[in-house]
Amino acid sequence: QLQLQESGPGLVKPSETLSLTCTVSGGSISSTISYWAWIRQPPGKGLEWIGNIYYRGATYNNPSLKSRVTISVDMSKNQFSLKLDSVSAADTALYYCARLRWDSSGWYGGFDYWGQGTLVTVSS
Amino acid sequence: SFELTQPPSVSVSPGQTARITCSADELPKQFVYWYQRKPGQAPILMIYKDNERPSGIPERFSGSSSGTTVTLTISGVQAEDEANYYCQSVDTSGTYVLFGGGTKLTVL
Repeated sequence: QLQLQESGPGLVKPSETLSLTCTVSGGSISSTISYWAWIRQPPGKGLEWIGNIYYRGATYNNPSLKSRVTISVDMSKNQFSLKLDSVSAADTALYYCARLRWDSSGWYGGFDYWGQGTLVTVSS
Repeated sequence: SFELTQPPSVSVSPGQTARITCSADELPKQFVYWYQRKPGQAPILMIYKDNERPSGIPERFSGSSSGTTVTLTISGVQAEDEANYYCQSVDTSGTYVLFGGGTKLTVL
């Protein structure tokens, strides 16, 4: 059973960089049927996709976040990470890591495994 | 830009059928996925590729598609089904992921 666990600071100052790590257990981050994703939910709002990464390094990010997002993979630690630059109060949210499965039919099978989420508050 | 539109809220009585719609404004329509989100819990994938149900999801949850509208149907709604439901899809290139705004299902 795949398990994902987010970790990182719960409080970040405005204009600084938010850094989170997701540790994957029960499976390999180099799985060929897996993309690894970050998704967030601001208080009182809906889910927002941040970006995906494949273990070979290909990344896809939400255009609304422009170039502030960096997602990377550390295969030696079975982890992937998120860096979000120049944060503001609008980046305060519950941040989830998730696995996006690549279905055997050749298309996405959905975000089928999620971490429990970690709350990040941006405040001075 | 690509958008998925959901009704903000749906209310049903226990035992009734709840239908939550998700309308895509981009053609061709890509597959839609549905997630259940309860307070304090991570989202759960309920339906994938419009109408397929992951193992462990009760049979009362089903999905259907007609044109650019996809519907999540919950037959015989139970109190435990009260939650926020989000649809999700990808753009035509299969590169960018989008979530709908979410629908709060209230079981009266």
